[in-house]
Amino acid sequence: NAGVMQNPRHLVRRRGQEARLRCSPMKGHSHVYWYRQLPEEGLKFMVYLQKENIIDESGMPKERFSAEFPKEGPSILRIQQVVRGDSAAYFCASSPTGGFRRNTEAFFGQGTRLTVV
Amino acid sequence: KQEVTQIPAALSVPEGENLVLNCSFTDSAIYNLQWFRQDPGKGLTSLLLIQSSQREQTSGRLNASLDKSSGRSTLYIAASQPGDSATYLCAVSPIDGGATNKLIFGTGTLLAVQP
Repeated sequence: NAGVMQNPRHLVRRRGQEARLRCSPMKGHSHVYWYRQLPEEGLKFMVYLQKENIIDESGMPKERFSAEFPKEGPSILRIQQVVRGDSAAYFCASSPTGGFRRNTEAFFGQGTRLTVV
Repeated sequence: KQEVTQIPAALSVPEGENLVLNCSFTDSAIYNLQWFRQDPGKGLTSLLLIQSSQREQTSGRLNASLDKSSGRSTLYIAASQPGDSATYLCAVSPIDGGATNKLIFGTGTLLAVQP
């Protein structure tokens, strides 16, 4: 059973380009969370999705950022018109049930390191 | 608003020492608390998860305790080894009444174990 798979591992974009980050959850997991880790800061929650639904996007910047988790295929975090401040590590986590209730562990991917030049 | 703090921010110890990492949180309404390990440029590896009703969890040389009423958790590492060098993150799962629970992370403790 492969873990949470994220690709690409490293992504370089010029200012103004679009960045697309992919996350394939563990087999049997239908809940996906995206987190962002800015340099010298802790991980911050961005968005929680179930298949075809955004459940909680309270941590997403209001502009330029969007996320989806289609019925088929990986979850996608899309950043339009990237700026230098978007440079960070973006982590995806998955779980088999909603939230991280009680004894449900969080399984994280290796992350995508986005560098905006 | 839930806030998670980890002390110290960095720690350097000689190999073989026992050590304690601290985590504090401001709101005791949590489902659980997790300790993670993050290696440079890598993802997060879950080490231990303590449910809100539990006091501690153990895995090998690691022992994590939880005192929910005081908002504190400690991660005890016995007989440290150079391979333990990493950043250790503490995260809580808050009971916020919303449709989801998202983890609130501390900023981590960077541990270096000197051979």
